[in-house]
Amino acid sequence: KAGVTQTPRYLIKTRGQQVTLSCSPISGHRSVSWYQQTPGQGLQFLFEYFSETQRNKGNFPGRFSGRQFSNSRSEMNVSTLELGDSALYLCASSPQQGSTEAFFGQGTRLTVV
Amino acid sequence: ILNVEQSPQSLHVQEGDSTNFTCSFPSSNFYALHWYRWETAKSPEALFVMTLNGDEKKKGRISATLNTKEGYSYLYIKGSQPEDSATYLCAFIVVGSGNTGKLIFGQGTTLQVKP
Repeated sequence: KAGVTQTPRYLIKTRGQQVTLSCSPISGHRSVSWYQQTPGQGLQFLFEYFSETQRNKGNFPGRFSGRQFSNSRSEMNVSTLELGDSALYLCASSPQQGSTEAFFGQGTRLTVV
Repeated sequence: ILNVEQSPQSLHVQEGDSTNFTCSFPSSNFYALHWYRWETAKSPEALFVMTLNGDEKKKGRISATLNTKEGYSYLYIKGSQPEDSATYLCAFIVVGSGNTGKLIFGQGTTLQVKP
């Protein structure tokens, strides 16, 4: 069974640009969540999607957005990139929300210059 | 603001030592507690999901306990091995509308096991 796949693995962007990151969950999983890790910070929750609907959103500015497709694949978009957006972005999938373990991808390392 | 605290921040032990870490979380509106192990350059890997007060879970040499009334969980590693070197994360989920599925992570405990 294939794991959670995130693409691309590494990305370098310039301030002001926008970026789209992709996450393919484990087959059959309907819940996809996104997390950000910046240097010195723990994993911070960005948003969660379940059955194509955003179920929860973390405390991030509106420049951060996401969506989920009918095949459960998810994308997150960051517009007007800032230097502080440089981080590791992790995606996690679960069969359902809450009490089941989350399966994480290896992440996308975004560097904003 | 919901906060999850992990201690210690880092730990260096000798091979064969047993060790334990603490995860503290708000005791109100508890839904579930997750433990993850994160090795460098790999994905975080789930160790345990705990939901009931008094839960004890075990996987090989690693075990965890949960006290939801006082808001803490312990992770124990018996006879540490170099391959146990990793960052151990706990994550808390609150019950309530809009919060299901949102993992609130601690900063992690980084364990280094010396051969």
